[in-house]
Amino acid sequence: AQSVTQLGSHVSVSEGALVLLRCNYSSSVPPYLFWYVQYPNQGLQLLLKYTTGATLVKGINGFEAEFKKSETSFHLTKPSAHMSDAAEYFCAVSPYNQAGTALIFGKGTTLSVSS
Amino acid sequence: DAGITQSPRHKVTETGTPVTLRCHQTENHRYMYWYRQDPGHGLRLIHYSYGVKDTDKGEVSDGYSVSRSKTEDFLLTLESATSSQTSVYFCAISRDSGRDGELFFGEGSRLTVL
Repeated sequence: AQSVTQLGSHVSVSEGALVLLRCNYSSSVPPYLFWYVQYPNQGLQLLLKYTTGATLVKGINGFEAEFKKSETSFHLTKPSAHMSDAAEYFCAVSPYNQAGTALIFGKGTTLSVSS
Repeated sequence: DAGITQSPRHKVTETGTPVTLRCHQTENHRYMYWYRQDPGHGLRLIHYSYGVKDTDKGEVSDGYSVSRSKTEDFLLTLESATSSQTSVYFCAISRDSGRDGELFFGEGSRLTVL
């Protein structure tokens, strides 16, 4: 079965510092991977996704993630944190065995940004 | 923004009472999903639908039922609410049947069962 593990339930950074949120996946076939963001009292929105092709994926708000098959990882990074990046971030994987089934989400990482 | 409306947005009820949450979409997307979000658990799939009258169970379906009589509406019913069903419920939709179909989320319905 496919799954994702997000390392660290809380990450705190200073404004302007590098953001690194870690995600490792488990899959017996090439995975499709996603990062979603949830701002307080809102639903989730897509930050970026990897399906095939280039392993470095750029998303909205300056975020990017790199698919590393050898490490089974899909870590999310941003060079310089902004106060508005404070939110909860979810890594997700798409099941391979049935079309239309929903994404499988990690437990989330809360990002705090201090001034 | 995707046209997804969840109702009610907030509800407090008592143990043993029935509860129905409604998800309404204006995007004409085929796929609809109900997730629950709980601290330490992330999002877990309850049920999903791949068309009118076509539904299937997710990871945490016990105690929940769903119905989809129209493309635009997906109802989640708790026949007899329990305190363990206190949660935030999210509806999501997607257009594509492929693995890379992006999910669009509603704003959530916060349910408290006393």
